[in-house]
Amino acid sequence: QKEVEQDPGPLSVPEGAIVSLNCTYSNSAFQYFMWYRQYSRKGPELLMYTYSSGNKEDGRFTAQVDKSSKYISLFIRDSQPSDSATYLCAMSAPTGGGNKLTFGTGTQLKVEL
Amino acid sequence: DTAVSQTPKYLVTQMGNDKSIKCEQNLGHDTMYWYKQDSKKFLKIMFSYNNKELIINETVPNRFSPKSPDKAHLNLHINSLELGDSAVYFCASGREATGELFFGEGSRLTVL
Repeated sequence: QKEVEQDPGPLSVPEGAIVSLNCTYSNSAFQYFMWYRQYSRKGPELLMYTYSSGNKEDGRFTAQVDKSSKYISLFIRDSQPSDSATYLCAMSAPTGGGNKLTFGTGTQLKVEL
Repeated sequence: DTAVSQTPKYLVTQMGNDKSIKCEQNLGHDTMYWYKQDSKKFLKIMFSYNNKELIINETVPNRFSPKSPDKAHLNLHINSLELGDSAVYFCASGREATGELFFGEGSRLTVL
């Protein structure tokens, strides 16, 4: 079993839809949770960062962490064609030497006109 | 002004050759990383350096040798390239305490 599981998609939605992206994980030591967006042939860019459980909102994006269920989500409201990308969840646990991010495999999202 | 820059962007080479990828960051972070992204888009950590010191080495063949001349630079040298080394290699720098990473644009290596 992988430490982080993420549905690879592809996920296709019409413009304006609400998108829900999810990851589950098995390592209860994870405390930092991130979502990265990666456009084709580009590097991943940090989209949202959350520490421990709870919600965080930034414009059209909301990140949720439920540590009791080991489940994290990213919601995109009023999705736009420019949101078409691969979304990677990532998480890390504090360690004595270096913070190693563990990534999900990424969900490919396409927002259609 | 690019935060994490890596060169070259594209590398096409023959099996058995040696190649290097350079990375520089101007974010003032102490920690830098090399990640490998395979054809299925899975990102896996290879190395991490904190202030020029190796702190993470994830069972990478010793044909791969990172070098950090200072905390703003982390280069990756690969000896005796194999077909399976074909991938996109990403350099990143990050905040040690939280693990937030900032990635370069990637170096796409193709071994023929």
